[in-house]
Amino acid sequence: QVQLQQWGAGLLKPSETLSLSCAVYGGSFSGHYWNWIRQPPGKGLEWIGEINHSGSTNYNPSLKSRVTISVDTSKNQFSLKLSSVTAADTAVYYCARWDVDTSMAYDYWGQGTLVTVSS
Amino acid sequence: QSVLTQPPSVSGAPGQRVTISCSGSSSNIGTYYNVHWYQQRPGTAPKLLIYGNSKRPSGVPDRFSGSKSGTSASLAITGLQAEDEADYYCQSYDNSLSGYVFGTGTKVTVL
Repeated sequence: QVQLQQWGAGLLKPSETLSLSCAVYGGSFSGHYWNWIRQPPGKGLEWIGEINHSGSTNYNPSLKSRVTISVDTSKNQFSLKLSSVTAADTAVYYCARWDVDTSMAYDYWGQGTLVTVSS
Repeated sequence: QSVLTQPPSVSGAPGQRVTISCSGSSSNIGTYYNVHWYQQRPGTAPKLLIYGNSKRPSGVPDRFSGSKSGTSASLAITGLQAEDEADYYCQSYDNSLSGYVFGTGTKVTVL
């Protein structure tokens, strides 16, 4: 059974850098792309970016200038950094896996981390 | 702003059939990209409901079905149950935005 366990700081001030990590337990780490997705309170889902085991990344063009996703294959973990945060970055952040076997749908998700940006 | 448009809400009585539409364009659903559907109950992470336009993951009841035609997709729920009350999102890839996109979301209410 695959499990994604995420953690990171939940309260930030404007201009700080958001930092979250996600550990993957069970299943293959190398055979998938690992994603970050966010959801502002009461709103819909927004894709942030993805990375594979070799470090190849794709980012949402609207966030690309502020986002860095990295991977640590020795720990089966991947991380998100979002710089220069503002109140508009307040959201629940999810890590998720997409699988070729499910036509690149997100089949496993982390529990979510609420990140609040406030002065 | 989402490029996939869904109705904000749909409702139905227990046992009824409801459908949720997901309207896209020639740069996403209208291409060869698949459409996926997720169910999200309050306070929880989304759960994969339909993948590859019409396939159900193991454990998802066959009351849920998906289809795609042209630049739109739809999710149908038959035999509506109280536990189906949740938010539902469609998702695909957009080649003009070079990224994955989600629908605006639909709240299903069981009357």
